[in-house]
Amino acid sequence: AQKITQTQPGMFVQEKEAVTLDCTYDTSDQSYGLFWYKQPSSGEMIFLIYQGSYDEQNATEGRYSLNFQKARKSANLVISASQLGDSAMYFCAMREASTGNQFYFGTGTSLTVIP
Amino acid sequence: KAGVTQTPRYLIKTRGQQVTLSCSPISGHRSVSWYQQTPGQGLQFLFEYFSETQRNKGNFPGRFSGRQFSNSRSEMNVSTLELGDSALYLCASSPSPPPGTLYEQYFGPGTRLTVT
Repeated sequence: AQKITQTQPGMFVQEKEAVTLDCTYDTSDQSYGLFWYKQPSSGEMIFLIYQGSYDEQNATEGRYSLNFQKARKSANLVISASQLGDSAMYFCAMREASTGNQFYFGTGTSLTVIP
Repeated sequence: KAGVTQTPRYLIKTRGQQVTLSCSPISGHRSVSWYQQTPGQGLQFLFEYFSETQRNKGNFPGRFSGRQFSNSRSEMNVSTLELGDSALYLCASSPSPPPGTLYEQYFGPGTRLTVT
């Protein structure tokens, strides 16, 4: 079974609008971390936001917030007030305490911001 | 703090050759992981090194190997290159927490390898 599932291969959003990128995960661990990364066309992976499985509040980092629904095993990324520079691939990832330091990545969502 | 650096950024090799890629982690980070990214397979984990020891390994053939030096710099080597090895190779470093903690990884810009 896939550890991380991103069902939206591509998304479009109007500039200044908010957009939600979906991510569901599969783990039997109690302790795990969820991450979102942005990959522009240049190739570098940029860390955006982290949510720990024991965190009761949703993580926020500037215009990024993570909508964490533990019972549903979902960790959606919300980008508010989209900017043209947000156009990129977005990857959801998970790290489990039991499997050491290996990251599991989803297949990514390509976001295009339309002016 | 300087970020993760990878050299070279671009590389063109011929089938059958071997290649060595280098990664310098963020200062103070002792964990270094390597990933292969291709359009067809996405991001695939190669291996992770911590304190000069391979701690985790992905599902890649033995042609892919790596090592880590005492200064935490890491190299990966691919021998007998195949066309399918053409990919973006990403290195990531992480702080050195106790086992079971879940820090983020910071990625380098990648090395784009083309095998002809």
